[in-house]
Amino acid sequence: QQPVQSPQAVILREGEDAVINCSSSKALYSVHWYRQKHGEAPVFLMILLKGGEQKGHDKISASFNEKKQQSSLYLTASQLSYSGTYFCGTDSGSARQLTFGSGTQLTVLP
Amino acid sequence: GAVVSQHPSRVICKSGTSVKIECRSLDFQATTMFWYRQFPKQSLMLMATSNEGSKATYEQGVEKDKFLINHASLTLSTLTVTSAHPEDSSFYICSASTGAAEAFFGQGTRLTVV
Repeated sequence: QQPVQSPQAVILREGEDAVINCSSSKALYSVHWYRQKHGEAPVFLMILLKGGEQKGHDKISASFNEKKQQSSLYLTASQLSYSGTYFCGTDSGSARQLTFGSGTQLTVLP
Repeated sequence: GAVVSQHPSRVICKSGTSVKIECRSLDFQATTMFWYRQFPKQSLMLMATSNEGSKATYEQGVEKDKFLINHASLTLSTLTVTSAHPEDSSFYICSASTGAAEAFFGQGTRLTVV
C-alpha cells in the first residue's frame, strides 16, 4: 500500500522552511527520500533506517519514527534549487523494493 | 555513490513495434534490479523485480508477456516493451541494489509510442 505524503504541494519564498510528511500503514525497515525535477529521474537525498534515527546534510534533514511508521523531511532556509517533487519511498524489508508516496510538489520562489 | 546507467534516455517508436531498455550497474554488482513506471504527474509504480539468473517477479496488473525482463548478468537488466501502444508511453526507471540499504536509480527512459 502506498505511503501517504502531505502536503501535496507547497509554495515558499526563498529562505523559508518547509516540512514534508510521509506516513505508512505498514511496518517499515527504512524510508528513502528523493527529489525529482521535471523530466528527470529521481535523485537520492537520504535514507533512514529502522531505529528512529535523524539525519541531515546541509539544510535538508529528516527524521524517522518507526513506531508511528512516519518520516518527515525538513527543508530549512530553502533555495531556488530545492524546487521539485519530493517522494518518500518506503521499504518493508523486501530487498529494497520501494513503494513510493504520491509526491509533494515544492516550488521555491525568489 | 554507485552509478546506474540506463539507455536510451528517450525513444520514440511506432505502435506495434518493440523497444528494449537497458539498465547497467557500472561500478557494483546488482543482485536485484527493479523496474518502475511513472506516468505524468504521478508517482513511481513498481512494475517488476528482476533477479540475476532467475525469472522476474511482476507486480499485479503488469503483463509479463508484454514487458519482458531479462537479468542475464550481475550488471545488466533489460526491459523490452513488446508490441508497444500509445498507452505504454511513460517514463521507465530502473533501480539497482547491492543488497545493502540503498537503491540507486538510473536516469530513466522516456518512451513515446506514436
